Formats: sequence, C-alpha cells, structure tokens
Amino acid sequence: DTGVSQNPRHKITKRGQNVTFRCDPISEHNRLYWYRQTLGQGPEFLTYFQNEAQLEKSRLLSDRFSAERPKGSFSTLEIQRTEQGDSAMYLCASSFMGQGGTEAFFGQGTRLTVV
Amino acid sequence: AQSVTQLDSQVPVFEEAPVELRCNYSSSVSVYLFWYVQYPNQGLQLLLKYLSGSTLVKGINGFEAEFNKSQTSFHLRKPSVHISDTAEYFCAVSDLGYYKLSFGAGTTVTVRA
Repeated sequence: DTGVSQNPRHKITKRGQNVTFRCDPISEHNRLYWYRQTLGQGPEFLTYFQNEAQLEKSRLLSDRFSAERPKGSFSTLEIQRTEQGDSAMYLCASSFMGQGGTEAFFGQGTRLTVV
Repeated sequence: AQSVTQLDSQVPVFEEAPVELRCNYSSSVSVYLFWYVQYPNQGLQLLLKYLSGSTLVKGINGFEAEFNKSQTSFHLRKPSVHISDTAEYFCAVSDLGYYKLSFGAGTTVTVRA
C-alpha cells in the first residue's frame, strides 16, 4: 500500500492554458474524491467517483473543469482555459465503501499556480 | 448539509504545554466527525475520527477529542505539545452513509520552545 499518489506535485501555467492532474488512489479503494484548497482555507469538495461513475459534482466545478476515472482506477482532473482564480492546491482522496464509516486517505496534492 | 466552524484561526503555544482546538458543527442529521493535520506543502493526515460509541476518541500522536452532541462540538486536545506538532489542523464532518467531507477553515498551531 503506497498511499494516494498525485502528479505533478507542482504546476505553473500561463493563463488560458489547459492543465491536467493525475491521481492514483489506494488500489482497493472504490471511491475517489477531488477537493480544492485555497490559501488559508479548508479543502472544498469538487467531485467524487464510485468506481468509474462520477456521482456528484460541486457547483464549484465550472464547465472548464472535467474529471474522469476510466476503468475505476486512476483519475484525471482537467482545467481548460485556466484563470488566476484557479490557483490552489488540488487534493485527491480515496476510500473504500463498505467500511464502518469512512476514512478518506489524502494524497499530497498538486499545487497549481496560474500566472 | 453540514457546516463546520473552527473557533480559533491561530493558536500559539509553548512546548510541553497543553493545547485545545475548538470545533463546532451544524447538521440536521447524525454525523461522523474527523480531525486532520496538514504539514506545510503536504496532504492531510487523519488524526482521529468519531463514528459512534465512546464520546472520547483517542488518535495518533497523543491527540484526543471529545464529541458533545448537545453542544454540537468536537474539540481536539493534547496534554503536552512538541515542536513537531506545528501544523494546520482541520475539523471535518460527513453525514452517515455518505462520505463527502465538509471542512472547517483550519487552525494554525505554532509551538515555540
């Protein structure tokens, strides 16, 4: 068990460019979550998957954001036409549905800076 | 929907002194409660969780928290802190059977020698 892995750890991009982040969850976990954390704030829920199905999307997730989890394994989060307001830490977490109560394990995050 | 209020944004404390971080939540349904710690430029690590049963929950690194249903609180305590406890601490809540977490804004703990 190597934990939740996120790549890249840091990304600097110019405004208007597209970026894609990857998350590899703990292998037996069937639920995967994306959160966004801005400076001085707690993480905010963006979306989650159960296996390959995207079951909920936050209103924070504008049309420029898309997430996928093909085959219920790794997930990608793409941001199109980035804006300076997209600068944040993007956190991925995974959990196993069926345990008594959840424990979400978080990755180290991808820090996005839009210049 | 749930919400979490962490009552202290910053808590300075001397090494080996006790610390308490306050967390209040609001929810119309029963909830699970969590405390996470975040070190600089790192993800979140679970300190402890309350699911059911005893209202006093013990976690890692000597931390404990007490669930008070009547006051809708879940305060985190440590009797003696170390320099290495300097970090950001987040209280979080989810409703039963649904695992999306709602986080508070965080409390920065700075431990000084």
